[in-house]
Amino acid sequence: AQTVTQSQPEMSVQEAETVTLSCTYDTSESDYYLFWYKQPPSRQMILVIRQEAYKQQNATENRFSVNFQKAAKSFSLKISDSQLGDAAMYFCAYAPGESQGNLIFGKGTKLSVKP
Amino acid sequence: SAVISQKPSRDICQRGTSLTIQCQVDSQVTMMFWYRQQPGQSLTLIATANQGSEATYESGFVIDKFPISRPNLTFSTLTVSNMSPEDSSIYLCSVETSGASYEQYFGPGTRLTVT
Repeated sequence: AQTVTQSQPEMSVQEAETVTLSCTYDTSESDYYLFWYKQPPSRQMILVIRQEAYKQQNATENRFSVNFQKAAKSFSLKISDSQLGDAAMYFCAYAPGESQGNLIFGKGTKLSVKP
Repeated sequence: SAVISQKPSRDICQRGTSLTIQCQVDSQVTMMFWYRQQPGQSLTLIATANQGSEATYESGFVIDKFPISRPNLTFSTLTVSNMSPEDSSIYLCSVETSGASYEQYFGPGTRLTVT
């Protein structure tokens, strides 16, 4: 069975600094997708970034980028120039290639941003 | 993208009663999903709902407890039956949009408290 592990329950970063959130996963599949979702106190799940396993190039979305290490089954999220609005729960998620709907989530990392 | 609304946004219910949660999408989608997020926890997939077929339930979830309807391509309901305090959670629906790049979007969630 696939699993997703986020080993950092909480993280803190100073405003304008950079922070990296860790995620590892376990799967025997070769075709899959990985995601980072943000859940602010409003509880709305917001897709931050996605990565297709077959793509070697790391995904980037503005201040958010990932370090995808397929052999190590690692998928970390880097947030650059952190802003107060980045404070939220961040969930790493895995989905098999045939359907991205069946997401398997990690336990989440609570990110605090200090002014 | 897809805009998803859920009703109700929150409710407080007595044990033994049932609550039906509605999920409305602003565009036609093939696959809709229902997740549960227990207090302080991550998201767990309850079931996948495709229009015109029976919902597919994940291990640990049964139709008698969580009946789902999917009458058309923009709407779905999840009923939480014979509720107990252990059912207190946030229930989220999500949709998978097809195209050149699959995306998955979440509704704002329904916060259920069972007393």
